[in-house]
Amino acid sequence: DTGVSQDPRHKITKRGQNVTFRCDPISEHNRLYWYRQTLGQGPEFLTYFQNEAQLEKSRLLSDRFSAERPKGSFSTLEIQRTEQGDSAMYLCASSFGTAEQFFGPGTRLTVL
Amino acid sequence: GENVEQHPSTLSVQEGDSAVIKCTYSDSASNYFPWYKQELGKGPQLIIDIRSNVGEKKDQRIAVTLNKTAKHFSLHITETQPEDSAVYFCAAPSGGYQKVTFGTGTKLQVIP
Repeated sequence: DTGVSQDPRHKITKRGQNVTFRCDPISEHNRLYWYRQTLGQGPEFLTYFQNEAQLEKSRLLSDRFSAERPKGSFSTLEIQRTEQGDSAMYLCASSFGTAEQFFGPGTRLTVL
Repeated sequence: GENVEQHPSTLSVQEGDSAVIKCTYSDSASNYFPWYKQELGKGPQLIIDIRSNVGEKKDQRIAVTLNKTAKHFSLHITETQPEDSAVYFCAAPSGGYQKVTFGTGTKLQVIP
């Protein structure tokens, strides 16, 4: 399968713990995006990378969130000191330049 | 930034009937409008998109129309089938394609 993959698919954690998610984009895609989706809502933009450079961050991305794409390939999204309000589906997407974005299956985070 | 509104939020149709979902956007500079289908537990999947240099685009049973003057675009699904049941999202780019703003989604139920 050459689509966008995300790991893990599900994560349950206790409030205050740190979690890290991984996204592997489609191999030739130079742009990678992170979105968050809560129940009954559309995905909301968090941040995006062009190659290894993080070019934009949403106001939704508090100081507890950090994303990296160290070699311009896979990306990680870390949430420190998780809160119950962080419970959501975290979606990764990739594109080649400004072409259409292809989404992965998401990581569903539940913070107890 | 871009503001995308989507209606209706839920839609039930009999198998074989047509379904129409409508969206409006706020940024007159937007010129690319994708539609995504999201099935339960999966990431959004691009099903069709339209660019502002055309008013309509068709792909088998689905079509999208765009009215740039009125800043609205619509998704049309003809001869609906039970497998069309899903949540559909319209979207429009923000910041020159750097990110995509999604509508709030339409839950389509096709009744056999």
